[in-house]
Parts: sequence; structure tokens; C-alpha cells
Amino acid sequence: EDQVTQSPEALRLQEGESSSLNCSYTVSGLRGLFWYRQDPGKGPEFLFTLYSAGEEKEKERLKATLTKKESFLHITAPKPEDSATYLCAVRNSGYALNFGKGTSLLVTP
Amino acid sequence: DGGITQSPKYLFRKEGQNVTLSCEQNLNHDAMYWYRQDPGQGLRLIYYSQIVNDFQKGDIAEGYSVSREKKESFPLTVTSAQKNPTAFYLCASSIGEYNEQFFGPGTRLTVL
Repeated sequence: EDQVTQSPEALRLQEGESSSLNCSYTVSGLRGLFWYRQDPGKGPEFLFTLYSAGEEKEKERLKATLTKKESFLHITAPKPEDSATYLCAVRNSGYALNFGKGTSLLVTP
Repeated sequence: DGGITQSPKYLFRKEGQNVTLSCEQNLNHDAMYWYRQDPGQGLRLIYYSQIVNDFQKGDIAEGYSVSREKKESFPLTVTSAQKNPTAFYLCASSIGEYNEQFFGPGTRLTVL
């Protein structure tokens, strides 16, 4: 059975304090790993898609990387506006996305 | 502006009532999806549709029904058979079933 585990569940950072969020997965035949950002009471906002081990993508202060077993979302010099829940999802050969429970990030000034 | 709209934003239902949640997209996407989000849990797929007049059950379809009469619209009905309907409902769409999904703003349903 496909599984997606995100860690930590919650993370508190000082502004400017870089860190990484982890998404570990087990899936038979990965056909995409997706990162989303979700603000309270809103729908998830698409960030990145990664397809193969070694792939990296960047957007502003965020950088996503992928290995055969996990993905990391690196946040460099975060700002308070980066505070949100970050969701990871994987797709195997089917249509469905299998989501993790998310990491809640709080960045304080 | 292209995007996905959901209405209403908040919905209150009495036990035993059916309610319909609206989802409209003007992105010209073929595939549309409905997810349910509960506190402390990941998003769970209710139904999805690849093309007009065709849809498939997801992991938690019991107590829900959908229709796809137009490419732009994918309404979800929460029936009285759904035992625990209070949740945040999210609609999404994608160009094709294997592409990234884009989400609407969500509808929060509360059963009184």
C-alpha cells in the first residue's frame, strides 16, 4: 500500500533560519511527487512536481529535491509570510494523489 | 482570470438533508476531482472525472454523488447517507489525469 509520511508535524523557525521539511514515501512506480502550500481555510497552492531521483526545482526561497525514498523541501532564509502548511503527495500508476498529513510551518519575526 | 471557483464558502446542513457543493473551472481542464480534508488527516479522494459524462469513485465515495454534464462543472452532492459529512471539501482540476492538480478555495460544510 502506498504511504506518504511527512516530518516534522510542526516546525517553528526564526526569520532567516533555514531548514528542511521531509516527505518519505513508499509507492510502486512513482509517477510524480507534488508539493503544495496551504494557508488556513484555503485550498492548496501548487508549488512543484518532481518525477525522478536527483531532480531539483526552485522557487524563490523554496527548493525541492527528490531521492528514491524521500523528498525534501528546503526553505532558505524564511520570512513570516512563508508560514503555512506544506503538503506532499505522490502518484503511482493510477490517477489518484496520495497525500501526507502535512507539516505546519511557523516563521516568527 | 482563469481559475477554479467553489460555492458556497460555508454551508450548514441539518441531519437528513442532501446538499450540493458547486465547482466550476475556466482553465479548460479535462480532469476534475473532489477531495475531503479533515483535521490531522491528509486529503482523501471522493470522486474524479476524466471527461464529460464519465466519473469514477475514489477512496471514500460512500454517501456522495457527482455529475459531469459540462467540462467546466463538477458538482458534488453530500447525501443523508454520509455518516460524518462535516469537513472541508476541495475541488481540483488538471489538464490531464497525470498532470499537477490545481485546487479551488474550498467549501466548509457543517452538519448541525
